[in-house]
Amino acid sequence: GAGVSQSPSNKVTEKGKDVELRCDPISGHTALYWYRQSLGQGLEFLIYFQGNSAPDKSGLPSDRFSAERTGGSVSTLTIQRTQQEDSAVYLCASSSNRGAYEQYFGPGTRLTVT
Amino acid sequence: GESVGLHLPTLSVQEGDNSIINCAYSNSASDYFIWYKQESGKGPQFIIDIRSNMDKRQGQRVTVLLNKTVKHLSLQIAATQPGDSAVYFCAEFPGANSKLTFGKGITLSVRP
Repeated sequence: GAGVSQSPSNKVTEKGKDVELRCDPISGHTALYWYRQSLGQGLEFLIYFQGNSAPDKSGLPSDRFSAERTGGSVSTLTIQRTQQEDSAVYLCASSSNRGAYEQYFGPGTRLTVT
Repeated sequence: GESVGLHLPTLSVQEGDNSIINCAYSNSASDYFIWYKQESGKGPQFIIDIRSNMDKRQGQRVTVLLNKTVKHLSLQIAATQPGDSAVYFCAEFPGANSKLTFGKGITLSVRP
C-alpha cells in the first residue's frame, strides 16, 4: 500500500521567505510527527499530532515554525521568515493506534535556505 | 534539539563480525523500547522492539537486550553485512497516547 509521502522533495528558498512543507500520512494512521535532521546528525523532534488531541508543540524551535493537520490526515509544516540555520531535511512520520511506536517515515523534504 | 551541533558517534566493524550497538535511555517508566535503522538518503525504518517486561528478544540476525537496572539497551547484529551500514537510533515509548522519543543515533560502518 501507499506509504507516507512528502512534498516537495527538495526546496530552495531565499532567506526571509516563507515555506510550506506537506506530509500525507498513511491512511488511517492517527499519529503524525514532524522531525528535523541536519546533515550527519540525529532526529530533532518538532511536533506531534495524536487524533483530535491538542498537538504537542514542545519541539518547535521558534515561533516562526507552525504546523497544522487538517481532517486528521494531511499535515503542513510552515516556516516563516526562513533563516540559513533552518536548512535541513524535514521528516514526517505516522503511526497507527495499534502500533503506536512503529513509525513509518516519509522520504523527507530537503530544505536549503540561501 | 538534543543532537543539534553534535555529529553522531561511529562504530566500525569488519564484514562478517558481530556488531553491538548500545544506547542509554532515560525514562524508566517506558513501556516499549525500539530500534530504528536509517540508510543514507532515506527515513528511519523500524527494526525490532522489546517490551519492558522482557530482557531479550531475537529477530532475524538481530537481538535486542534490555537491562532495566542500568537503563541500557543494546542491538546485536550477527554476521554484519555491508547492507547493515546505516545510522541506528534507539527509541523509547511510555505507552498509549504518548510520544515516541528517539536517542541520539550511532553510525555503523562495515569494512569489507
